[in-house]
Amino acid sequence: GAVVSQHPSWVICKSGTSVKIECRSLDFQATTMFWYRQFPKQSLMLMATSNEGSKATYEQGVEKDKFLINHASLTLSTLTVTSAHPEDSSFYICSAKARGDSTDTQYFGPGTRLTVL
Amino acid sequence: AQKITQTQPGMFVQEKEAVTLDCTYDTSDPSYGLFWYKQPSSGEMIFLIYQGSYDQQNATEGRYSLNFQKARKSANLVISASQLGDSAMYFCAMRERYGGSQGNLIFGKGTKLSVKP
Repeated sequence: GAVVSQHPSWVICKSGTSVKIECRSLDFQATTMFWYRQFPKQSLMLMATSNEGSKATYEQGVEKDKFLINHASLTLSTLTVTSAHPEDSSFYICSAKARGDSTDTQYFGPGTRLTVL
Repeated sequence: AQKITQTQPGMFVQEKEAVTLDCTYDTSDPSYGLFWYKQPSSGEMIFLIYQGSYDQQNATEGRYSLNFQKARKSANLVISASQLGDSAMYFCAMRERYGGSQGNLIFGKGTKLSVKP
């Protein structure tokens, strides 16, 4: 149980285009989903937290107009990187917390490797 | 001050031997959770084990056990009978119930474990 999928697993795009990444909880309802960014050989950096049906909460320094997050249902959250630039190239990984889980364990997706040319 | 400290950037262990990965944490929150995740080279973050601050016994999950020493604020991960597939980055993380992190996970910098045949 507690499987999270992420799509696509990797994407290459041209500078100036937008890229959408999907995060789905496959076998549980996710009250909260998280989006992280990870640079090579570093730990995860939280970008934003999203609750179903409400606006995302962004961490300090993360541009909300550049990284659009939508959490339309209890099983789906999307991250759209708008007008991507080479400095946005990174590994993006989502996680989800299950409804009713008192431990608040976050289950992670497999990640999306974004390369902006 | 760092909330989660992993002092071992890299560790080597012989196959079939046990290994301990260190993690110390800093919080004044009476209620918190401690997590260990494994990140192989593929990038996926795999949840391994959870320890709640009020749990009386050390958590165990198969070959993984958490050596929880509350007074010392340490939560070391013990992997018994190491396998080649255990080679990966290991992250310790904490979730505070009432602290400034707003219930989000705080990650350590990770320990890279290499299992030698």
